[in-house]
Amino acid sequence: GDSVTQMEGPVTLSEEAFLTINCTYTATGYPSLFWYVQYPGEGLQLLLKATKADDKGSNKGFEATYRKETTSFHLEKGSVQVSDSAVYFCALRLNTGGFKTIFGAGTRLFVKA
Amino acid sequence: DAGVIQSPRHEVTEMGQEVTLRCKPISGHNSLFWYRQTMMRGLELLIYFNNNVPIDDSGMPEDRFSAKMPNASFSTLKIQPSEPRDSAVYFCASTPYSGGLPSTDTQYFGPGTRLTVL
Repeated sequence: GDSVTQMEGPVTLSEEAFLTINCTYTATGYPSLFWYVQYPGEGLQLLLKATKADDKGSNKGFEATYRKETTSFHLEKGSVQVSDSAVYFCALRLNTGGFKTIFGAGTRLFVKA
Repeated sequence: DAGVIQSPRHEVTEMGQEVTLRCKPISGHNSLFWYRQTMMRGLELLIYFNNNVPIDDSGMPEDRFSAKMPNASFSTLKIQPSEPRDSAVYFCASTPYSGGLPSTDTQYFGPGTRLTVL
């Protein structure tokens, strides 16, 4: 079935380090792909998205490229800040039926000063 | 816009009691989703509605759970009777529905209701 697999956390980095959080997916058809971020005590909010192969989503210094050949959508940031500490969710949205969104398990990021 | 509104923000109840969680989606959004988040199971989709009609309720754990959407601006998730294992954060999210076209629309989440069943 359709699914999203992302790297287990927690990921602990020092400020200004490079971040990669891996995400791969399995889906029928051509889904849209998303990264959501959840700060402590809050709901999820969209970080970035890509709707077709080779699209690059970007926001707040974060980037992810929709790679259809490797069914991946890895999240990257060149220099993390303490304020980036949060849980990051990779998700896919099926573009058929009722447009259900499937979320990965989430990866917790800690950034140390 | 006020965003997705959920109430209450926190609920503490005793096992066996009925619990009702409420959600007001963003005006103009016609898809609504209920999720449950726990440390053990992560984020689980319970049910979702398009144009007030339940489309997929396969995630609803058991008959103790029920959800309704009587109109475009209000939905409830009810647990009766509640059990300690229902303790979790319950999120409501809404999104526009493109109706037959590939949708790239974002889900907008509410702040969640933290439920504790003693």
